[in-house]
Amino acid sequence: DTAVSQTPKYLVTQMGNDKSIKCEQNLGHDTMYWYKQDSKKFLKIMFSYNNKELIINETVPNRFSPKSPDKAHLNLHINSLELGDSAVYFCASSQGILLAGEFQETQYFGPGTRLLVL
Amino acid sequence: TQLLEQSPQFLSIQEGENLTVYCNSSSVFSSLQWYRQEPGEGPVLLVTVVTGGEVKKLKRLTFQFGDARKDSSLHITAAQPGDTGLYLCAGPSDTSYGKLTFGQGTILTVHP
Repeated sequence: DTAVSQTPKYLVTQMGNDKSIKCEQNLGHDTMYWYKQDSKKFLKIMFSYNNKELIINETVPNRFSPKSPDKAHLNLHINSLELGDSAVYFCASSQGILLAGEFQETQYFGPGTRLLVL
Repeated sequence: TQLLEQSPQFLSIQEGENLTVYCNSSSVFSSLQWYRQEPGEGPVLLVTVVTGGEVKKLKRLTFQFGDARKDSSLHITAAQPGDTGLYLCAGPSDTSYGKLTFGQGTILTVHP
């Protein structure tokens, strides 16, 4: 059974379009994340939800809007796609959430969604 | 801002060789993690080091956390083609809970 799954795995679209990526975890975790990995493989947090509540919102354009209908799902909607949005987007989950600076528990990553904006 | 710098960025070696990847910061971290990401997949946690000076072994992989908890290293003995992948170190933010800061990664290629 896949622990963290994402759809679609590949997404090729035109500039200006709106697209969504879906993520589901069957681990019973309370916290889910969206990361962006650029062409140089740098992985950066975008958003995090804990029990459907937004807790991390990094400096991400407003065109990106996450939604968590329940704690097992975290979707990412992107409006007016731009060339620079091309990247691999990873969803991840972890059991809980800890205070800043404390021991970080395991995050489980999905297989990624490869987005190419033409 | 806490930054993690990994070196080298790229490593291409022959099967059977040893290698070391470094993860350095000017900031103190309460813990550091190492992930491996294989092509087309997401990162998978290898180890978490928590105590300064700690050494953890995972088969042919040895992880060390610096005494001052500002750096870590990953040493692979007798590398195999199956070790090929992107190795990432990560540490928890001291300001935002739940946030992991990643290094820029080391791409390792082990040739048969």
